Amino acid sequence: DSGVTQTPKHLITATGQRVTLRCSPRSGDLSVYWYQQSLDQGLQFLIQYYNGEERAKGNILERFSAQQFPDLHSELNLSSLELGDSALYFCASGTGRGETQYFGPGTRLLVL
Amino acid sequence: AQSVAQPEDQVNVAEGNPLTVKCTYSVSGNPYLFWYVQYPNRGLQFLLKYITGDNLVKGSYGFEAEFNKSQTSFHLKKPSAIVSDSALYFCAVRDVSGNTPLVFGKGTRLSVIA
Repeated sequence: DSGVTQTPKHLITATGQRVTLRCSPRSGDLSVYWYQQSLDQGLQFLIQYYNGEERAKGNILERFSAQQFPDLHSELNLSSLELGDSALYFCASGTGRGETQYFGPGTRLLVL
Repeated sequence: AQSVAQPEDQVNVAEGNPLTVKCTYSVSGNPYLFWYVQYPNRGLQFLLKYITGDNLVKGSYGFEAEFNKSQTSFHLKKPSAIVSDSALYFCAVRDVSGNTPLVFGKGTRLSVIA
């Protein structure tokens, strides 16, 4: 157990809908990272937050957004969902530069 | 830009034999290098990392990796494979100098055959 929690574990929804994925980092970690893992694209970095501020942005679509709250948990919002958004979404947390990122168990999203 | 290459999609090894999972990287400065393992329907699990110092890094479950700066490689090794090592292995790199995210390779599926 990495200490990173993610909810829900599974999510099934329809195209055009909006969902929110939640992540709680390990105790003491200020950084939260979001990744998308799909069969054809591998593990893609989406976005990083550090102590409530956006720190780095990767291949995140405009339909997707995230935030980190004062208690350091983070939410990833996915809107206008398409079939191609079906994937595993991972959250990871860490402490600072050179850090090890510790991954949560992931949320499996299926868009029908 | 940073990049990681894992040249083998699949590695098969017999139980008890040594295993190697290859990784090469590209960064503009000095690298931080990581190996993660993913079991079916699970998140990525940290195995080991190279930050600085000794080129041979020892990690969890008997795994080790050797940092080779001249060959820009960070191959994962284990002297004697066991069936439960079968999983998907990811190499990752980030540049020490910049505030850049971790870049992952495509992954290598390791199968240890009894």
